[in-house]
Amino acid sequence: SQTIHQWPATLVQPVGSPLSLECTVEGTSNPNLYWYRQAAGRGLQLLFYSVGIGQISSEVPQNLSASRPQDRQFILSSKKLLLSDSGFYLCAWSVNIGNTQYFGPGTRLTVL
Amino acid sequence: GESVGLHLPTLSVQEGDNSIINCAYSNSASDYFIWYKQESGKGPQFIIDIRSNMDKRQGQRVTVLLNKTVKHLSLQIAATQPGDSAVYFCAENSGVSNAGGTSYGKLTFGQGTILTVHP
Repeated sequence: SQTIHQWPATLVQPVGSPLSLECTVEGTSNPNLYWYRQAAGRGLQLLFYSVGIGQISSEVPQNLSASRPQDRQFILSSKKLLLSDSGFYLCAWSVNIGNTQYFGPGTRLTVL
Repeated sequence: GESVGLHLPTLSVQEGDNSIINCAYSNSASDYFIWYKQESGKGPQFIIDIRSNMDKRQGQRVTVLLNKTVKHLSLQIAATQPGDSAVYFCAENSGVSNAGGTSYGKLTFGQGTILTVHP
């Protein structure tokens, strides 16, 4: 069966510090991968998606970037965090773009 | 469309009652719909899905209804339990299916509804 992992589970970072969140998927090959952000009490905002290694599509302009160095690894990064980057970051995978997405446990990021 | 910046609507029910959570979608070309449940501090979990060639699908204690005429989707939860308390999201796929039945559009999530079940 397929599983998706995210780490760290929680993170507290000062403004201006770098960020690296990792997501890995097991039990499937060539998944489509997604990064979402969810502010408290809000819905899901799609940040990036990837259909293959090295292929990244950005949905919204922002202070963040994404990379996919391996087939089942998706990384969310920032060079300098802003207060507005605080939120709950969710990684998801799917077999195809548009099909059911399966979410990871999320990373709670607090920027102080 | 995406719900960034919107506060979520809420639904409060008593334990044992039936719950109905509604979702309106905007794209008449959407052909696949999903309901997710998100508990506090966790990632969304798949509940049930439905394709546009159906108007009803049942799972364990849950039923999804699709009304394509008015572009409306609903999730019915029978005998709601305190463990059902969560945020519920609908999602639509507005992609185009090929002959093999594969859709290529992205999922668009609704704003979510907070369900609170009182014992």
